[in-house]
Amino acid sequence: GESVGLHLPTLSVQEGDNSIINCAYSNSASDYFIWYKQESGKGPQFIIDIRSNMDKRQGQRVTVLLNKTVKHLSLQIAATQPGDSAVYFCAEKLAGGGNKLTFGTGTQLKVEL
Amino acid sequence: NAGVTQTPKFRILKIGQSMTLQCTQDMNHNYMYWYRQDPGMGLKLIYYSVGAGITDKGEVPNGYNVSRSTTEDFPLRLELAAPSQTSVYFCASIDRDRGLGYTFGSGTRLTVV
Repeated sequence: GESVGLHLPTLSVQEGDNSIINCAYSNSASDYFIWYKQESGKGPQFIIDIRSNMDKRQGQRVTVLLNKTVKHLSLQIAATQPGDSAVYFCAEKLAGGGNKLTFGTGTQLKVEL
Repeated sequence: NAGVTQTPKFRILKIGQSMTLQCTQDMNHNYMYWYRQDPGMGLKLIYYSVGAGITDKGEVPNGYNVSRSTTEDFPLRLELAAPSQTSVYFCASIDRDRGLGYTFGSGTRLTVV
């Protein structure tokens, strides 16, 4: 079946460096994608989203890039801080009603001081 | 606004017991969801609801039941608990007219022994 997956299960970066978290998706009909951050013991928190008619969207210190040709999504975090340490999930909106999302398995981001 | 509130936060059940996980949101959101998250995995959709009186199965509905008698409440029922239902359960909601960034509760950690 269709699925969303992540390339790297764990990413370690130095504080102040930029982080890039990648995600591959297989459902070419998906038209909406979201990145979530999940800290230990908490529920996922919305970070940024992008629609399929866009290639790039920027937020505060975060940028999401969408490459529909290769079905690839990435989250860039600028000047990574210790508070960015968490698991990051990408999610895609499924076709049909109900605004249902399919989540990837997640990438653990570790920020080293 | 309290957002999405889940109770209990933790629970240990014996095989064959039943329980109800509570979820309440005070944002007047139309859509509500139940996901489960197994260790090191992404979230999988159990059930969802697009409004009071309407519920639908997600990806992994077996062993669960839901109801949506009011806009605010979306309880998840486990009738005969099994070890395979050991997981962290997250409830989420969105406003249909305001976008797809789910608001998640803080989760219920359930262990079936």
